[in-house]
Amino acid sequence: QSVLTQPPSVSAAPGEKVTISCSGSSSNIGKYSISWYQQFPGTAPKLLIYDNDNRPSGVPDRFSASKSGSSATLGIAGLQTGDEADYYCAAWDGRLSVGSFGGGTVLTVL
Amino acid sequence: EVQLLESGGGLVQPGGSLRLSCVASGLTVRDNAMSWVRQAPGKGLEWVSVITTRGDTFYADSVKGRSSISRDNSKNTLFLQLDNLRAEDTATYYCGKDVTGIAGGDIWGQGTMVIVSS
Repeated sequence: QSVLTQPPSVSAAPGEKVTISCSGSSSNIGKYSISWYQQFPGTAPKLLIYDNDNRPSGVPDRFSASKSGSSATLGIAGLQTGDEADYYCAAWDGRLSVGSFGGGTVLTVL
Repeated sequence: EVQLLESGGGLVQPGGSLRLSCVASGLTVRDNAMSWVRQAPGKGLEWVSVITTRGDTFYADSVKGRSSISRDNSKNTLFLQLDNLRAEDTATYYCGKDVTGIAGGDIWGQGTMVIVSS
């Protein structure tokens, strides 16, 4: 059971925007930076967002993120079929002294 | 090119041991917090362990007492020793740079598969 909670799945049509939530607590998201990862089947995760709302070079600005209190949100605008993947949030938990990933969210672009 | 390359996975019997390796090129292991993350077949990512730049080590409860993370600075290599392996340790194991840190894990290996089965 992860300390970070994500919805199991989200879906939207091409061109639309979708948001994926990540809920934690004051000992993880509330205190530490959150990262977001995209993973396609059979491949390693790819960093989408670091330090709450920063995009690495090469990540399209269709991907955005925010954090408020103990929750965070990943937004993907202008959805493309190529965005269909699993998305994970991740953060350090200072109370448990462990890293943690959310359970993952499957994005379906209808 | 910055790259992490894992090895050491394979088929092992319950109760057995494995030592996973992660050779880094283009980045210096000792200068970065380095983590192991695993993914059981069809499941999500699970954080396993991290070694900080200071050499502090932390473990998930699921492997605590049965695993040990270390690094060899001369070989620029990260290791994960897994002992008393159980069926539930079956997974692809990835090494990554700073995966839950402020900079995020922008470098990951391709993964090495561990199968625990008799």
